[in-house]
Amino acid sequence: DAKTTQPPSMDCAEGRAANLPCNHSTISGNEYVYWYRQIHSQGPQYIIHGLKNNETNEMASLIITEDRKSSTLILPHATLRDTAVYYCIVRVRGGTSYGKLTFGQGTILTVHP
Amino acid sequence: EAQVTQNPRYLITVTGKKLTVTCSQNMNHEYMSWYRQDPGLGLRQIYYSMNVEVTDKGDVPEGYKVSRKEKRNFPLILESPSPNQTSLYFCASSVHWDSPLHFGNGTRLTVT
Repeated sequence: DAKTTQPPSMDCAEGRAANLPCNHSTISGNEYVYWYRQIHSQGPQYIIHGLKNNETNEMASLIITEDRKSSTLILPHATLRDTAVYYCIVRVRGGTSYGKLTFGQGTILTVHP
Repeated sequence: EAQVTQNPRYLITVTGKKLTVTCSQNMNHEYMSWYRQDPGLGLRQIYYSMNVEVTDKGDVPEGYKVSRKEKRNFPLILESPSPNQTSLYFCASSVHWDSPLHFGNGTRLTVT
């Protein structure tokens, strides 16, 4: 799986959009971008994933650049409960690569009043 | 309710005393995996299982064993725990190996 690079920490004001970047310059054509978050020491929670098109669900939007070398997770109206560590992961879907999965250090997002 | 259940939530033990952390999922998921989380090191995969009777090593398998005799259960076994296995452990499952993961609430293990 491709390696990802995220900023170690970010701040955001409550009610504003939080834009979390992720670089995955070595991503290959069949690798998906997944985002998870971990609030305090709870189990990580799945947010969203995508291949090349932008995706949106009830939690967030995922914007993937045309060259697929980077992506941005957008939380449109951040709340204090969105304070968490956010992990960007790339995974192969299909093919001969199997269940190994590596989480990086993630980005600590702090939403302040 | 669909969930991944780990037990126990907290465990304090002594070096060398065999222990098992249980993980059970009620979603008929094929894929299950174990992670440990340590300060500054993030989440690291210990073992994973693609389906019943199919297990493989993750990034940090040393000192651990797993088994997958039935689909719902994926216990993590520490035959001879050592202090460097003190950590926060998470179990996760997904429909298939490439589907979004559902995580348990974690097991905080302390080995003295």
